[in-house]
Amino acid sequence: EDKVVQSPLSLVVHEGDTVTLNCSYEVTNFRSLLWYKQEKKAPTFLFMLTSSGIEKKSGRLSSILDKKELFSILNITATQTGDSAVYLCAVETSGSRLTFGEGTQLTVNP
Amino acid sequence: GAGVSQTPSNKVTEKGKYVELRCDPISGHTALYWYRQSLGQGPEFLIYFQGTGAADDSGLPNDRFFAVRPEGSVSTLKIQRTERGDSAVYLCASSLDREWSGANVLTFGAGSRLTVL
Repeated sequence: EDKVVQSPLSLVVHEGDTVTLNCSYEVTNFRSLLWYKQEKKAPTFLFMLTSSGIEKKSGRLSSILDKKELFSILNITATQTGDSAVYLCAVETSGSRLTFGEGTQLTVNP
Repeated sequence: GAGVSQTPSNKVTEKGKYVELRCDPISGHTALYWYRQSLGQGPEFLIYFQGTGAADDSGLPNDRFFAVRPEGSVSTLKIQRTERGDSAVYLCASSLDREWSGANVLTFGAGSRLTVL
């Protein structure tokens, strides 16, 4: 059975801190790994990673994939209160299904 | 449409009743997914349509759950004889055919929150 595990499950930081969110996976027929941000309702897409060692970056967010060790990290630098959300990691396998982790609840306090 | 639209946004029903949840995907997206998200959990796969047909329905928990997409656009998730354990947010997502886009980035709707009393 495909499995995606995220850690920590919850994190509380102060504005300006840097955070690292972790995602490890055990799946058959890996195709890609995706990160989503979920505030109140709809998860919104952040990154898709398919190759090891290539960092994807968007503003203060960045992510990298290690296909040998089967994990990915999502970094957020200089956090802001607007970064408070649940961050979801998902792995796409053959058949186009996404398997999600439980998510990391990030709270950024002013 | 501009985004994935789901209705109703909230549905409260009594145990044993029948419910229908509707999803209107992004225009031109051939793939459509239903996920269920319980409080504090990640979304759990239910069913995936490619066009009108269900390409993978292995995530449906039992035969009380059924989904259709008769014209390859709007989809309806149907739940018969609802139980309290069915209470969750039901998320719909759509994406372009992977052969065209080379990737499978799902765009999610805001979800339908179902509460079974």
